[in-house]
Amino acid sequence: AAGVIQSPRHLIKEKRETATLKCYPIPRHDTVYWYQQGPGQDPQFLISFYEKMQSDKGSIPDRFSAQQFSDYHSELNMSSLELGDSALYFCASTFLAGGVRGTYFGPGTRLLVL
Amino acid sequence: SQQGEEDPQALSIQEGENATMNCSYKTSINNLQWYRQNSGRGLVHLILIRSNEREKHSGRLRVTLDTSKKSSSLLITASRAADTASYFCATVTGANSKLTFGKGITLSVRP
Repeated sequence: AAGVIQSPRHLIKEKRETATLKCYPIPRHDTVYWYQQGPGQDPQFLISFYEKMQSDKGSIPDRFSAQQFSDYHSELNMSSLELGDSALYFCASTFLAGGVRGTYFGPGTRLLVL
Repeated sequence: SQQGEEDPQALSIQEGENATMNCSYKTSINNLQWYRQNSGRGLVHLILIRSNEREKHSGRLRVTLDTSKKSSSLLITASRAADTASYFCATVTGANSKLTFGKGITLSVRP
């Protein structure tokens, strides 16, 4: 079965550069979530989209933006990168079944900012 | 503050022993989920328990939920070295809401 696809899997950037992370949710899943997990930290919710519209926003810096496109893939754009942005970025897609959302995580993109 | 707080933060046991990890949360939930993460890798969904359920089993996993105490426990029976990983609980407060993760518990199973 198809899973959530994230690209790239690894990314190295310099400070003040920009980065774009991509997420391809499981077909027919209606919601996409982005999470950030710093070293040794728990995943923190950044932002979500339901049917291509932003549905919730968490601790996402103003330097970051995201969108979901007509084909349901989502991109997380990160500008003016800082050392502290080095983290694992997960995308998850969900669908509602039986009143419960099944959540499927992608493998993550590991971003290293030098 | 985190919705889910795991207890203990680190656990080291011998292969074959049982491992119990606890999680507490603060607000009403729709469901609670446990995830496993091998070092620096992706999050693997283990089990989901709804707010109206008290106990659930899946293979060697047993999860309990006490909504009056706002707590959950994950029991891994007959642990194996391959169970070594970080375990997170995550809560969902509404049917359409995001997961809120607690601090992970690092489980080390010694062969």
